[in-house]
Amino acid sequence: DAGVTQSPTHLIKTRGQQVTLRCSPKSGHDTVSWYQQALGQGPQFIFQYYEEEERQRGNFPDRFSGHQFPNYSSELNVNALLLGDSALYLCASSLRALGGETQYFGPGTRLLVL
Amino acid sequence: AQSVTQPDIHITVSEGASLELRCNYSYGATPYLFWYVQSPGQGLQLLLKYFSGDTLVQGIKGFEAEFKRSQSSFNLRKPSVHWSDAAEYFCAVGDYKLSFGAGTTVTVRA
Repeated sequence: DAGVTQSPTHLIKTRGQQVTLRCSPKSGHDTVSWYQQALGQGPQFIFQYYEEEERQRGNFPDRFSGHQFPNYSSELNVNALLLGDSALYLCASSLRALGGETQYFGPGTRLLVL
Repeated sequence: AQSVTQPDIHITVSEGASLELRCNYSYGATPYLFWYVQSPGQGLQLLLKYFSGDTLVQGIKGFEAEFKRSQSSFNLRKPSVHWSDAAEYFCAVGDYKLSFGAGTTVTVRA
């Protein structure tokens, strides 16, 4: 049973560029959440996608956007990159119908903005 | 608003000794509580969770946690630590949106 997968594993961009990160959920899961983890900190919730719509959003600017596809996979897009966007981006999947969801995390994509 | 406080930034423990990591939470309703572990450069692995019922929950790798509503705490324990338990541990609270603490780094000395 494949767990949550993310690509790429590492990425280097320059300020002002745009980036797209990808996530495939655990088999059987229908909900994808994205988190940003800055160095030395706990993960911060960005947003959650269910039924191809953004359902919940954390305190992140509109430069952060996402998408969920019919196969439940998801993308995170960040526009106009800032140095402060350098972080580990974690994707988590869950099965919404269960309620009180247990989220399972992928290995993350480490983004460095120069 | 929901939030988590992990008072201990760093804990050093000898191999074979017991370990307890503290977690205090703030949540408006019955909390869903989680402990995750993160090895360097890795994602988060779920250790255990509490939704309801028995306040002492068992997890993987010999970990357990006790929910105390009166103290708004969900402390993680392990009776005998192994060198492989060296990692960063995160407590989290929430339903569809998880709020994490800042983490506790555990170092295991031989």
